Amino acid sequence: KAGVTQTPRYLIKTRGQQVTLSCSPISGHRSVSWYQQTPGQGLQFLFEYFSETQRNKGNFPGRFSGRQFSNSRSEMNVSTLELGDSALYLCASSLIPPGTDNTEAFFGQGTRLTVV
Amino acid sequence: AQRVTQPEKLLSVFKGAPVELKCNYSYSGSPELFWYVQYSRQRLQLLLRHISRESIKGFTADLNKGETSFHLKKPFAQEEDSAMYYCALFTGRRALTFGSGTRLQVQP
Repeated sequence: KAGVTQTPRYLIKTRGQQVTLSCSPISGHRSVSWYQQTPGQGLQFLFEYFSETQRNKGNFPGRFSGRQFSNSRSEMNVSTLELGDSALYLCASSLIPPGTDNTEAFFGQGTRLTVV
Repeated sequence: AQRVTQPEKLLSVFKGAPVELKCNYSYSGSPELFWYVQYSRQRLQLLLRHISRESIKGFTADLNKGETSFHLKKPFAQEEDSAMYYCALFTGRRALTFGSGTRLQVQP
């Protein structure tokens, strides 16, 4: 079956702009989580969506937001981009939230965002 | 607060040598721990989880609640094991907390 698909793979934006990243989960998966990966901070949890509702949010400013559609596809938006937002953004999908009942999270290849 | 510590950024061993990747955690609840692996130019993928007590690709990991550790071990390293390894803790807040990762280099 098709894996988690993230688009675009690479993105270059200017400070102050906004950006939208997309994630298509594995068919049938209802939970989508987003993570930011940077060399300095490692993998950090952004938020998790389940059945179109944000169920949990990490310690990121309000400039980071997201949503999930009825087909479980998810988008992540970052407004007023800062240089420090440059990172690899990973999306993970699972049948139910990762960790519960031993559920595995499947990761996409990520979107590499560069802010200049 | 929950925390996962992987003290080694890089671990270099020779092929056939034993491997131990260290992971310590801090969590007040009942932990659910995982090891994820990322091979070069591939996506992050689950290697194993403590709850299933399985052995994948020769790797095992035992949860030691007394020492709050979940070290990953393999008796004989192979070159194809070279990758980035992340220990992760499920916090019950529907999120995984990852360690900073350890790069394993297996030399021929």
